[in-house]
Amino acid sequence: NAGVTQTPKFQVLKTGQSMTLQCAQDMNHNSMYWYRQDPGMGLRLIYYSASEGTTDKGEVPNGYNVSRLNKREFSLRLESAAPSQTSVYFCASSDRIRWISYNEQFFGPGTRLTVL
Amino acid sequence: QQQVKQSPQSLIVQKGGISIINCAYENTAFDYFPWYQQFPGKGPALLIAIRPDVSEKKEGRFTISFNKSAKQFSLHIMDSQPGDSATYFCAASIRTKETSGSRLTFGEGTQLTVNP
Repeated sequence: NAGVTQTPKFQVLKTGQSMTLQCAQDMNHNSMYWYRQDPGMGLRLIYYSASEGTTDKGEVPNGYNVSRLNKREFSLRLESAAPSQTSVYFCASSDRIRWISYNEQFFGPGTRLTVL
Repeated sequence: QQQVKQSPQSLIVQKGGISIINCAYENTAFDYFPWYQQFPGKGPALLIAIRPDVSEKKEGRFTISFNKSAKQFSLHIMDSQPGDSATYFCAASIRTKETSGSRLTFGEGTQLTVNP
């Protein structure tokens, strides 16, 4: 049981380049999330997918696109990278139990992205 | 706009001491308040959580105190150990549609160092 996996672990891009961050979970979770973590700003939600086939914007969606490929996989794409997108990106997943009003989110190890 | 404010930004405690991290929120619709712990190079992991219908929750050396009227909650780590050195994030969640995931709004994070 690998949990949540992310690739790549590290990436350096030049301004204007594009790339896709990959995320997969093997816990059969319905919901998946993409966050970015910046010093002094905590984790901020970029996009999330409440269930397979749906995606919604989070707090900081500009400059990003996502694809929920299937129940296991949720990718984050930077079409034209900018230095402001230098950050650590975390993918997370969770399931939902109807009679409990919350669900624990399980995080991957992160992707450290630098845009020059 | 940060809906969950966390303080202090960093905290240094001696081994055996008490670590206290505070959070304040604005949105009274929040219905779940977890704390996540993150070690260097890892993704955050759920540490302890509380719902607003209780004022305190204790798990081992970790206690959440919740003050609904003041819209504040705090994490207390008793008998702090060097192994507790990590970054701690408070968060708050609003339940969305019944079949959807819960979105988490994170505080800015507190870097805790416990000296031996």
